[in-house]
Amino acid sequence: EVQLMESGGGLVQPGGSLRLSCAASGFTFSDHFMDWVRQAPGKGLEWVGRIRDKGSGYTTEYAASVKGRFTISRDNSKNLLFLQMNSLKTEDTAVYYCARSRHGSESRLDYWGQGTLVTVSS
Amino acid sequence: DIQLTQSPSFLSASVGDRVTITCRASQGIRSYLAWYQQKPGKAPEVLIYAASTLQSGVPSRFSGSGSGTEFTLTISSLQPEDFATYYCQQLNSYPITFGQGTRLEIK
Repeated sequence: EVQLMESGGGLVQPGGSLRLSCAASGFTFSDHFMDWVRQAPGKGLEWVGRIRDKGSGYTTEYAASVKGRFTISRDNSKNLLFLQMNSLKTEDTAVYYCARSRHGSESRLDYWGQGTLVTVSS
Repeated sequence: DIQLTQSPSFLSASVGDRVTITCRASQGIRSYLAWYQQKPGKAPEVLIYAASTLQSGVPSRFSGSGSGTEFTLTISSLQPEDFATYYCQQLNSYPITFGQGTRLEIK
């Protein structure tokens, strides 16, 4: 059974940093692209970024709103996905989801974690 | 960036109704479109991918169609568990984007 579980959320001051983790199980983690998606309170879904699989060199893509501030990485030996968030702004307050991504002609986010809440406030 | 515009943003319907949600892309995205359902306090779940392919385990009352710039999600006969918010997502090019959502409520 595929499972994704985020952790690391919490309250942080503007300008601060936070690192989220996503523990994956039930599939061959290194073979899959992985995404982060966020949802501000009462708002819609916003794609944050992606890290590709081993075959694609673990390269990354980011939304413009986080590029240069957020970094996605992975530890395939521990089946962990990370989101390092720096220079946090109040508008980064959201529930952050990790999701397994299928690419190519069957593109979709087919499994999601339960989400972790990040609150940026003084 | 490719913008996705869903219509309507809010829909009130009854159990048994047939409903259709439209998603329009600001430029062509071939068939790289997925639909998600999200219930309050829960993560989204994929319903449809590649515009018209039903995700495994999703009831057959859900269907998708379209290509290029115009797409639809149809629920043939609403069930009580279908009242939720629905999002389209384009995966044709970066940045990946979502529609603003359609909230489906019980009439």
